[in-house]
Amino acid sequence: AQKITQTQPGMFVQEKEAVTLDCTYDTSDPSYGLFWYKQPSSGEMIFLIYQGSYDQQNATEGRYSLNFQKARKSANLVISASQLGDSAMYFCAMREGTGTASKLTFGTGTRLQVTL
Amino acid sequence: DAGVIQSPRHEVTEMGQEVTLRCKPISGHNSLFWYRQTMMRGLELLIYFNNNVPIDDSGMPEDRFSAKMPNASFSTLKIQPSEPRDSAVYFCASSFGSSYNEQFFGPGTRLTVL
Repeated sequence: AQKITQTQPGMFVQEKEAVTLDCTYDTSDPSYGLFWYKQPSSGEMIFLIYQGSYDQQNATEGRYSLNFQKARKSANLVISASQLGDSAMYFCAMREGTGTASKLTFGTGTRLQVTL
Repeated sequence: DAGVIQSPRHEVTEMGQEVTLRCKPISGHNSLFWYRQTMMRGLELLIYFNNNVPIDDSGMPEDRFSAKMPNASFSTLKIQPSEPRDSAVYFCASSFGSSYNEQFFGPGTRLTVL
């Protein structure tokens, strides 16, 4: 079974609109972390936002927020007021466990295109 | 502050040749990760180190791949002999402290094996 599932291979959004990128995860570990990364066409991986499994509130970082629904095992990324520069691939990732034994597993990504 | 540094940025080689990719993590970071990204398989973790010690190399595809971290500021990923299916972008990432800290990625090395 896939540990991280991103069901939207591609998404379009109009500039200044909000967009939600879906991510569901599968783990039996009570302690885990969820990450979103952005990969623009230049290729680098840019960290956006993090949500811990025990965090009570949804994470927010500027225009990025994470809609964390633990019971549904979903961690959707919400980008508000989209900008042309938001056009990129977006990857959801999960880290299970703690300490030195933990590692990141990435989803297949969603390509977001922001249009005028 | 300097981020994760990878070299070379691009590498083109012929099948059968040895390839060595290099990574300098962010100073002070104690975990280092090597990933491979392809269209077919996405982003895969190959191996990661903590305090210079390999923790999990289960993602290393086969014996042709090897990785070392002789000190806290340098790591190599070697492919010998290289094959066309090794063509990919190889990322190095580093992080510090608890497992809940984000990983900072290098710019990647685009490897093409002819």
